Amino acid sequence: EVQLLESGGDFVQPGGSLRLSCAASGFTFSSYAMSWVRQAPGKGLEWVSAISGSGGSTYYADSVKGRFTISRDNSKNTLNLQMSSLRAEDTAVYYCAKVVRYCIGGTCYVEYFDYWGQGTLVTVSS
Amino acid sequence: QSALTQPLSASGSPGQSVTISCTGTSSDVGGYNYVSWYQQHPGKVPKLMIYEVSKRPSGVPDRFSGSKSGNTASLTVSGLQAEDEADYYCSSYAGSNNFVVFGGGTKLTVL
Repeated sequence: EVQLLESGGDFVQPGGSLRLSCAASGFTFSSYAMSWVRQAPGKGLEWVSAISGSGGSTYYADSVKGRFTISRDNSKNTLNLQMSSLRAEDTAVYYCAKVVRYCIGGTCYVEYFDYWGQGTLVTVSS
Repeated sequence: QSALTQPLSASGSPGQSVTISCTGTSSDVGGYNYVSWYQQHPGKVPKLMIYEVSKRPSGVPDRFSGSKSGNTASLTVSGLQAEDEADYYCSSYAGSNNFVVFGGGTKLTVL
């Protein structure tokens, strides 16, 4: 059974930093790209960042580029998101999600997110 | 990275059908057959309902169907049931630089 368990959410002041983690189990972690998707209170889903199975390729939404860093430790089946220069608009539930991609000819197409964690709440406020 | 456009709300009576649209551009919805739909009940985790425009994961009722025409994808829920009341989000591959984009979400109400 696939399980994704996020941790690290907290209350932080604007300009602060926070590190989120996602512990994965039930599948071959290193074979799959992983992603972070967030949802602000009462708002819709927003894709934040993603990383390939090997960790060699990373992707960021414009809203977090330069402030967030995604990484993974395939030996520990763990996905991380280092967040810095946090803003009030970063307040959200952050979900870890397993990505299904179709790769051909060096290009990988994101098909869908098939498993999601329960989410961890990040609150940025003074 | 503009969000895909969905209507804020949709509604129908039990047993009826309702269609939710998801409009993007030729760089996302129109350019690839990698549109997916997610159902989210209040306080719950999003659940995959449709992938690759029209495919259903195992366990999703065949009352849910998807389609696409040009830059607009659609989710149709037939034979509405009370438990279908939820928020629905579309998503599309948006190119190697943008990875993926979501729609703003549609709140489906079963009257």
